[in-house]
Amino acid sequence: DTAVSQTPKYLVTQMGNDKSIKCEQNLGHDTMYWYKQDSKKFLKIMFSYNNKELIINETVPNRFSPKSPDKAHLNLHINSLELGDSAVYFCASSPMSRGSVSLFFGSGTQLSVL
Amino acid sequence: AQKVTQAQTEISVVEKEDVTLDCVYETRDTTYYLFWYKQPPSGELVFLIRRNSFDEQNEISGRYSWNFQKSTSSFNFTITASQVVDSAVYFCALSEYGTSGSRLTFGEGTQLTVNP
Repeated sequence: DTAVSQTPKYLVTQMGNDKSIKCEQNLGHDTMYWYKQDSKKFLKIMFSYNNKELIINETVPNRFSPKSPDKAHLNLHINSLELGDSAVYFCASSPMSRGSVSLFFGSGTQLSVL
Repeated sequence: AQKVTQAQTEISVVEKEDVTLDCVYETRDTTYYLFWYKQPPSGELVFLIRRNSFDEQNEISGRYSWNFQKSTSSFNFTITASQVVDSAVYFCALSEYGTSGSRLTFGEGTQLTVNP
């Protein structure tokens, strides 16, 4: 069984569209994250939720809006997509929100904005 | 601010060679955690190891070993007798203890290619 699952795996869309990426974890973790991996493979945190509460919000355009309906789900909605949003987006989860824990990542969503 | 540097962008070796991936980090904290993740061609991120700043013992797991040296702020990763399946991008990462959320700061990654 997949521990952290994201859908879709690939997302190809036109500029200006609105799209969502869904993430679910079945590990019973309290904390979930969104990371962005750019074309140079650089990984950077975007958001983190702990028990449905937003705890990390990096400098991300407000076109990106995370939503956590419950602690097992963290979705990412992106409005008015731009070319620069093309990247791989990774969802991750961890057992608690302290720095000591390991993150478990989903398989990523490759977003291509045309 | 935290920083992780993986100076080796790409490494290419022949199967059965040993290879070491370097990682140097910067942090002002006395308590922190270091990680290595593997990203194979299929794209997922696979957790390999976590090490806290108070534990400088080297660790060995099969063909993998890690050398943590606080004095040089380094956390290097060695693969012994490399195999083609080891080909991947390897990321070193640093996390501060006690911050809200495990804010991992990643290095730029090292692309390892193991040729048959």
